[in-house]
Amino acid sequence: RKEVEQDPGPFNVPEGATVAFNCTYSNSASQSFFWYRQDCRKEPKLLMSVYSSGNEDGRFTAQLNRASQYISLLIRDSKLSDSATYLCVVNGNTGRRALTFGSGTRLQVQP
Amino acid sequence: GAGVSQSPSNKVTEKGKDVELRCDPISGHTALYWYRQSLGQGLEFLIYFQGNSAPDKSGLPSDRFSAERTGGSVSTLTIQRTQQEDSAVYLCASSSTVNPGELFFGEGSRLTVL
Repeated sequence: RKEVEQDPGPFNVPEGATVAFNCTYSNSASQSFFWYRQDCRKEPKLLMSVYSSGNEDGRFTAQLNRASQYISLLIRDSKLSDSATYLCVVNGNTGRRALTFGSGTRLQVQP
Repeated sequence: GAGVSQSPSNKVTEKGKDVELRCDPISGHTALYWYRQSLGQGLEFLIYFQGNSAPDKSGLPSDRFSAERTGGSVSTLTIQRTQQEDSAVYLCASSSTVNPGELFFGEGSRLTVL
């Protein structure tokens, strides 16, 4: 089983739609969770951290469910510029372990 | 700006040759990572340096791969006797101790092995 699993998509949605992605992780001792965004042929960039109580940043909402070992990302009022691949990222329970990236979910927002 | 710098940006080599890829992290960042990404695939962890600690090499796919980080700054990833399956974009990233979850990536080194 992969450490971090995501639905690869693509998710094709119209502008203004609400879309949600889930990600599951295998290490129950994982402590830190993030969503990164990667545009085509570009390097990944941090979108937002995911906190235990859930957190919101504008149109983006991230939630963590430790019991079921998944995190989610909700995007409201999708924009064309949201089209990208969204990477779920998890780290282990020790400070030395590098971050593990999921394979990503591709989102295409259409006019 | 003083972001993560990688070189070369593109490298084409023949099977069996050795290659070196260089990463210059953001000044002051103690953590440095190497990942690789094949076309249409996710990021595959290779190696992680944190300060003066021994590196986490658990992601290196074979003993043909090695990396070092000199003086806690610049890192070099070396691939010996390259194979066609080594073709990928090699991404370097660094992060600070203040915010270890935010990785700043370089633009990558695209390696093509013929």
